[in-house]
Amino acid sequence: DIQMTQSPSSLSASVGDRVTITCRASQSINTYLNWYRQTPGKAPNLLIYAASNLRGGVPSRFSGSGSGTDFTLTISSLQPEDFATYYCQQSYITPLTFGGGTKVEIK
Amino acid sequence: VQVVESGGDLVKPGGSLRLSCEASGFTFSHAWMSWVRQAPGKGLEWVGRIKSKNDGGTVDYAVPVTGRFTISRDDSITTVFLHMNSLKTEDTGVYFCSMISGYNYDNRRKTYHYAMDVWGQGTTVTVSS
Repeated sequence: DIQMTQSPSSLSASVGDRVTITCRASQSINTYLNWYRQTPGKAPNLLIYAASNLRGGVPSRFSGSGSGTDFTLTISSLQPEDFATYYCQQSYITPLTFGGGTKVEIK
Repeated sequence: VQVVESGGDLVKPGGSLRLSCEASGFTFSHAWMSWVRQAPGKGLEWVGRIKSKNDGGTVDYAVPVTGRFTISRDDSITTVFLHMNSLKTEDTGVYFCSMISGYNYDNRRKTYHYAMDVWGQGTTVTVSS
């Protein structure tokens, strides 16, 4: 199975801050990498697909980059609704696997 | 476009349960569907995926549920099912259904970049004696 490792596991930030989350795959996954945001008690929602493509309706403050084994999710200016947990997920091969999550908390 | 899960319940270890996920607002028969679960206070865990009949209707499962869980679909009622047998306490959690979308066709690998695009609100399964 492909292991997905996110870092950090949690971070504290303020509204307006620039935030970067990283995700590393245990083997090359090309650009088969998605990012999701989950707020407490809610379902996840898709932010970025194929490593760098913004899903329709997702604010442009979100961006993704990377290929192979190393990926990043950047939030250019953190908004109140962005205090949530973020997950990366590889879609290169089954079993599909998620990273452990990065919790973004209010400083 | 939405999916709505149901069927979650309290069940004893070793028991069985069937979850349902009813879809609307899109062409269900063309869609691949996935189940993802989340144990209390933990991260997301993929459970399995079923392709459309047009793409072979094949099903893939995560290792922890292989042989115990079965995913099926009934396109006539736009519903996907998760049949769970031999339930264990570690199967406790919220079970989410999602519609999978295919993006950015990869000519080299002859496949799309797939993502879990539309999610339901989840249904809670508790396995406890």
